[in-house]
Amino acid sequence: GAVVSQHPSWVICKSGTSVKIECRSLDFQATTMFWYRQFPKQSLMLMATSNEGSKATYEQGVEKDKFLINHASLTLSTLTVTSAHPEDSSFYICSAAPLAGGGGSSYEQYFGPGTRLTVT
Amino acid sequence: GENVEQHPSTLSVQEGDSAVIKCTYSDSASNYFPWYKQELGKGPQLIIDIRSNVGEKKDQRIAVTLNKTAKHFSLHITETQPEDSAVYFCAARGVAGTALIFGKGTTLSVSS
Repeated sequence: GAVVSQHPSWVICKSGTSVKIECRSLDFQATTMFWYRQFPKQSLMLMATSNEGSKATYEQGVEKDKFLINHASLTLSTLTVTSAHPEDSSFYICSAAPLAGGGGSSYEQYFGPGTRLTVT
Repeated sequence: GENVEQHPSTLSVQEGDSAVIKCTYSDSASNYFPWYKQELGKGPQLIIDIRSNVGEKKDQRIAVTLNKTAKHFSLHITETQPEDSAVYFCAARGVAGTALIFGKGTTLSVSS
């Protein structure tokens, strides 16, 4: 149980275009989802915290107008990279924290498999 | 905010040896400390975790110890196998529902 999926698993886009990445909790409800970015041979860096039905909270240095986050339901959050540039190429990983009583352990965060974004 | 330091950055051991990875955290309010294994091109996989009310937890060849006073926790892998080779991350978190903060990772290489 407690599976998180991401779609797409990899995407290549041209500079200046926008890309949407979906994060879904498949068998539990998640009030909160998190978006991380991971550059090669580096750690996971938190980009933003997404709460269902409210605006996302962005970490310092992350442009909210460039990385649009929508958390429209208890099972879906989306990250849109707008006007992507080569420096946005990275591995984007989401995780979900289960709603108490909504399935899954309330202590754990469940991670998706990641989305590899390459901007040419 | 929370800051997590992880050492060493790389660790090479022979098959059958033990491996130890150490982390320290800064926020005394943190109460949840998971360890993740990440293989190339994949998302992190939880291998073991410990909460602040416990000092040690073991699961077969893997164990985690926590010293809340010193604010450090460690991952111990015994009888290492080549398939243990991966990048390992420690993390820390305070209140449930807030984000995990990760250490910088340790690349473990187990040679046969």
